[in-house]
Amino acid sequence: GAVVSQHPSWVICKSGTSVKIECRSLDFQATTMFWYRQFPKQSLMLMATSNEGSKATYEQGVEKDKFLINHASLTLSTLTVTSAHPEDSSFYICSAKNGRKYEQFFGPGTRLTVL
Amino acid sequence: GQQVMQIPQYQHVQEGEDFTTYCNSSTTLSNIQWYKQRPGGHPVFLIQLVKSGEVKKQKRLTFQFGEAKKNSSLHITATQTTDVGTYFCAGQGNQGGKLIFGQGTELSVKP
Repeated sequence: GAVVSQHPSWVICKSGTSVKIECRSLDFQATTMFWYRQFPKQSLMLMATSNEGSKATYEQGVEKDKFLINHASLTLSTLTVTSAHPEDSSFYICSAKNGRKYEQFFGPGTRLTVL
Repeated sequence: GQQVMQIPQYQHVQEGEDFTTYCNSSTTLSNIQWYKQRPGGHPVFLIQLVKSGEVKKQKRLTFQFGEAKKNSSLHITATQTTDVGTYFCAGQGNQGGKLIFGQGTELSVKP
């Protein structure tokens, strides 16, 4: 149990285009989902926290107009990178937690490359 | 803001040697979690420590939470090649709050 999927697993796009990444909790209801960004050989940096049905809370320095997060249901959250640029190339990982449980279940990640 | 520091950044050991990674928070934590990320993979939850001075064991892995709930360690006894990966600690200031990840310790094991 507690499986989180992400789609796509990798994507290559041209500069200026928008990319949508989906995060799904497959066998549990995720009241809260988190979006992280990880550069090579570096730690996970929290970008935003999203709760179902409400606006996401963004971390300091993360542009909410550039990284659009939607958590429309208890099993799906999406991250849209708008007008992507090469510096947005990174590994994006989502995680989900169920209610009061502390454990976060991570998705397999999406590797974004912007040319 | 809350910061979580982790050392060392890298550790190269011979198979059979022990390994320890240390984690220190700038503020008191409600709990600390440990994750393992294999090369090319995603973080996988290992354990959570909640109580002051808590010690938990998982086979060859021993996790400790400091008395002041500001530091933690992970010790692996007699490393194996399957232990290869990056180990992250992640501190939580309040229950249900966001996790702040340490920088991670990359472990490589030479057979």
